[in-house]
Amino acid sequence: AQKITQTQPGMFVQEKEAVTLDCTYDTSDQSYGLFWYKQPSSGEMIFLIYQGSYDEQNATEGRYSLNFQKARKSANLVISASQLGDSAMYFCAMREYTHSTLTFGKGTMLLVSP
Amino acid sequence: DAGVIQSPRHEVTEMGQEVTLRCKPISGHDYLFWYRQTMMRGLELLIYFNNNVPIDDSGMPEDRFSAKMPNASFSTLKIQPSEPRDSAVYFCASNTRGQEETQYFGPGTRLLVL
Repeated sequence: AQKITQTQPGMFVQEKEAVTLDCTYDTSDQSYGLFWYKQPSSGEMIFLIYQGSYDEQNATEGRYSLNFQKARKSANLVISASQLGDSAMYFCAMREYTHSTLTFGKGTMLLVSP
Repeated sequence: DAGVIQSPRHEVTEMGQEVTLRCKPISGHDYLFWYRQTMMRGLELLIYFNNNVPIDDSGMPEDRFSAKMPNASFSTLKIQPSEPRDSAVYFCASNTRGQEETQYFGPGTRLLVL
């Protein structure tokens, strides 16, 4: 079974609008971390935001916020006020604290239009 | 502080040739990861090291692939002999133990085997 599921292969949004990228995860661990990375067309993997399973508040980093719903096992990325430069592939990942490795989803391609 | 450094950034080689990819992790990081990214398979973990010791190489596709970490600031991934199906982007990432343990990625090496 997939541990990280990103159901949206592609998303379109207009500049200045907010967009939510979905991510659901599967783990039996009580302690884990969730990550979002951005991969623009240039290819590098850029860390965006982290949420720990015991964090009571949703993580925020500038225009990025993580909508963490533990009971539903979802960790959606919300980008507010989209910019053209947000057009990229976005990956959700999980690290179970019994392991040192990340498991990545297949990614969502976001296109921001003027 | 410098990020993860990878070289070369691009490599084009002919089938059968030996390819060596290099990585310098972030100073002070004691974990180093090698990933491969393809359209078909997404991001795959190949191998990771802790304190220069290989911990899990179950992702290494076959004996043609080998990785070493002779010291804390240098790692290599070698493919010998290379095959066209090895064409991919190879990423190196590093992190250290802590609350988040975010993995920081290098810019990647784009490998094309003709």
